[in-house]
Amino acid sequence: SAVISQKPSRDICQRGTSLTIQCQVDSQVTMMFWYRQQPGQSLTLIATANQGSEATYESGFVIDKFPISRPNLTFSTLTVSNMSPEDSSIYLCSVGETEAFFGQGTRLTVV
Amino acid sequence: RKEVEQDPGPFNVPEGATVAFNCTYSNSASQSFFWYRQDCRKEPKLLMSVYSSGNEDGRFTAQLNRASQYISLLIRDSKLSDSATYLCVVNGPNTGGFKTIFGAGTRLFVKA
Repeated sequence: SAVISQKPSRDICQRGTSLTIQCQVDSQVTMMFWYRQQPGQSLTLIATANQGSEATYESGFVIDKFPISRPNLTFSTLTVSNMSPEDSSIYLCSVGETEAFFGQGTRLTVV
Repeated sequence: RKEVEQDPGPFNVPEGATVAFNCTYSNSASQSFFWYRQDCRKEPKLLMSVYSSGNEDGRFTAQLNRASQYISLLIRDSKLSDSATYLCVVNGPNTGGFKTIFGAGTRLFVKA
């Protein structure tokens, strides 16, 4: 198993601003995953963050909107850029290529 | 067709009841299967893995039918604390590697 620390746990942001979410893992992992969970819906994969290379984005998500950093094998950040109310959601980081372990999530409200 | 489909519920059951959740998946090449539990305003947590031979963990029994691409979760003697959303999760090969797909979840309310 892995212990994942994610912060902030929640934030309320003005539209047009950006928020960076941090995720720290207690062990070295090759891949880290960023998910979005909109109200009443399941998790949607945004991108896979690989250390030492560009993140791989899923259909419907682009780097300009969701830039990701992966400076080492235990840490990653996801930025939600130029936010609008439609970005209000829970954002989760995860590790594990078969069995997934999640951070506590970041509850974002854009006003 | 969604890659992983679940009955969204909600299921409202009294304490002590037996309740079953079903899930179907579309990718026949899928290799790993899980049930996760998500409490309100919390992250998903692994409840149990699902094996072809079926597996049991206390009051929880999971079954996998590869031929029908069907997964089930049975909860016996429901407790109030079982109230949560149960996510069916499937992992399988995808372009460039493996991909984990989450079902939309089935909500369970256990009432006294």
